[in-house]
Amino acid sequence: AQTVTQSQPEMSVQEAETVTLSCTYDTSESNYYLFWYKQPPSRQMILVIRQEAYKQQNATENRFSVNFQKAAKSFSLKISDSQLGDTAMYFCAFTPRATDKLIFGTGTRLQVFP
Amino acid sequence: DAGITQSPRHKVTETGTPVTLRCHQTENHRYMYWYRQDPGHGLRLIHYSYGVKDTDKGEVSDGYSVSRSKTEDFLLTLESATSSQTSVYFCAISPQDTEAFFGQGTRLTVV
Repeated sequence: AQTVTQSQPEMSVQEAETVTLSCTYDTSESNYYLFWYKQPPSRQMILVIRQEAYKQQNATENRFSVNFQKAAKSFSLKISDSQLGDTAMYFCAFTPRATDKLIFGTGTRLQVFP
Repeated sequence: DAGITQSPRHKVTETGTPVTLRCHQTENHRYMYWYRQDPGHGLRLIHYSYGVKDTDKGEVSDGYSVSRSKTEDFLLTLESATSSQTSVYFCAISPQDTEAFFGQGTRLTVV
């Protein structure tokens, strides 16, 4: 079975600091896609970053970057220069094909303090 | 924002009543999904569709049915609502070869 595990239910960080959210997954597929979604209090699901497994280079989107370790099946999200607006629930998700169903982790609630 | 509209946004219903949630898209995307979100479980797939009249079950499909008679509409029906179906329901759409985009969610309470 394909699973996604987020072992940190809650995390906190001070504004302007850096925080890393962990995600591990289990699959026998050789190619697949990984995502981080952000869910602020508005409840909207917002795509933060995407990584394709065949690409060795770690994806980066402004202050957000990932550390993708394919052999270890690890996909962590680093948020640099944290902002109050980063306060949200963060979900790691996996899919074997871009148009296939997503498998989500249980989420990490991040609180950014001033 | 991707053109996805979920209706209603909030609903309270009684146990045993049928409920239909609607997902409407203006993007003409082929793939559509229904998820439910519950604390401690993340989002779990209920049903999905690969095209008109082409649907399949997800991880938590018991007690739910879906229909897709037009590309733009994907309906989720709870045949006889139970308290365990109290949840937040998300619709998502996906074009070919890229990520899914989510609607704003429907909060359903079954009393």
